[in-house]
Amino acid sequence: NAGVTQTPKFQVLKTGQSMTLQCAQDMNHEYMSWYRQDPGMGLRLIHYSVGAGITDQGEVPNGYNVSRSTTEDFPLRLLSAAPSQTSVYFCASSLLQGSQPQHFGDGTRLSIL
Amino acid sequence: TQLLEQSPQFLSIQEGENLTVYCNSSSVFSSLQWYRQEPGEGPVLLVTVVTGGEVKKLKRLTFQFGDARKDSSLHITAAQPGDTGLYLCAGATGAQKLVFGQGTRLTINP
Repeated sequence: NAGVTQTPKFQVLKTGQSMTLQCAQDMNHEYMSWYRQDPGMGLRLIHYSVGAGITDQGEVPNGYNVSRSTTEDFPLRLLSAAPSQTSVYFCASSLLQGSQPQHFGDGTRLSIL
Repeated sequence: TQLLEQSPQFLSIQEGENLTVYCNSSSVFSSLQWYRQEPGEGPVLLVTVVTGGEVKKLKRLTFQFGDARKDSSLHITAAQPGDTGLYLCAGATGAQKLVFGQGTRLTINP
């Protein structure tokens, strides 16, 4: 069992470039989410999904797109990277019912120059 | 926007001392989770508290959920260097959405 796998682990982009952060889980979890972690601000929810074909916005969705075509995968797209999007990005998954623990990937450290 | 205020943000103490980390909000949460995060890794769940007034113990760690389900505390007894890390509280707002506190960076000095 790999759990939640995020790729790449590190990425440097120039302002205006686009890219996709990959997230895959092998636990058959319905719920998947993307967070960004910035110093002194904890984790903030970007987008989330409660199942294949269903996505919704979190606290800080601007500049990011997501899709959920399968239960396993939940990619996060940066359409036109900006320096303000420099952060560490975490993908998480969980079962949907009750107060289930979220399983986090190891993160993608993204720098926008 | 629901906010969780975590305090202190930084704490450095000597091995063997006791400490308490607080997590406060004006909002009611259906549950509250505590995570620990090591450098270069994602957060890992320590405990979930669901009922107001609930107390859970994990070895030397004691977690309490406030009676009104708006606040929580983490108490560590006889801290050890292995307890060093970033501790995060997160309140559940339903449908698995979590609101995270800013985190407490704990350093235990030998």
